[in-house]
Amino acid sequence: SQELEQSPQSLIVQEGKNLTINCTSSKTLYGLYWYKQKYGEGLIFLMMLQKGGEEKSHEKITAKLDEKKQQSSLHITASQPSHAGIYLCGADLSSSNTGKLIFGQGTTLQVKP
Amino acid sequence: GAVVSQHPSWVICKSGTSVKIECRSLDFQATTMFWYRQFPKQSLMLMATSNEGSKATYEQGVEKDKFLINHASLTLSTLTVTSAHPEDSSFYICSASSLGGGGYEQYFGPGTRLTVT
Repeated sequence: SQELEQSPQSLIVQEGKNLTINCTSSKTLYGLYWYKQKYGEGLIFLMMLQKGGEEKSHEKITAKLDEKKQQSSLHITASQPSHAGIYLCGADLSSSNTGKLIFGQGTTLQVKP
Repeated sequence: GAVVSQHPSWVICKSGTSVKIECRSLDFQATTMFWYRQFPKQSLMLMATSNEGSKATYEQGVEKDKFLINHASLTLSTLTVTSAHPEDSSFYICSASSLGGGGYEQYFGPGTRLTVT
């Protein structure tokens, strides 16, 4: 079983709609990273969360880490076609902050104009 | 954010040959870099941790004699796929850590697509 579960696996939304992607672990997330990837390309860093209850926003994307540090969500407001891609959450499961990341399966987002 | 480059971006090689992939941190020093592998429509799988000036640490199931990692400087790590076989065909991505205002941030290279014929 996956140490990091992402849901949903895929998502199709109408332009302008809001959406949320979740990332859940049974272990403590000492560092939680959100990335966006276009198929066959590298990963674009979106946000990093470390503290329980932390929330960060950049443009129309907001990421949160719950108080227990076992679940994170990525919320996109008023989605646009440019938001389409694969969203990956990566987590450092080591308290010593090794930087080694375990990744979720990814969520493929399509935004219909 | 910090920039990580990879070279080449794609390579085709014949079975039995070796291929070297470079990962460079362009505007910061990285004592630690990581190598990942990604199969089509799947997530990233960590292969090894590359430490500057010391031996790499490999994840379980990754053959260290097949995937040679060298981290000769604070800005360069190389992955050499030795005696490549078609099953080694994959997308290889490296990452490097940079200490930002909120802690360590992981930046990824653009990836290298390897096709072994």
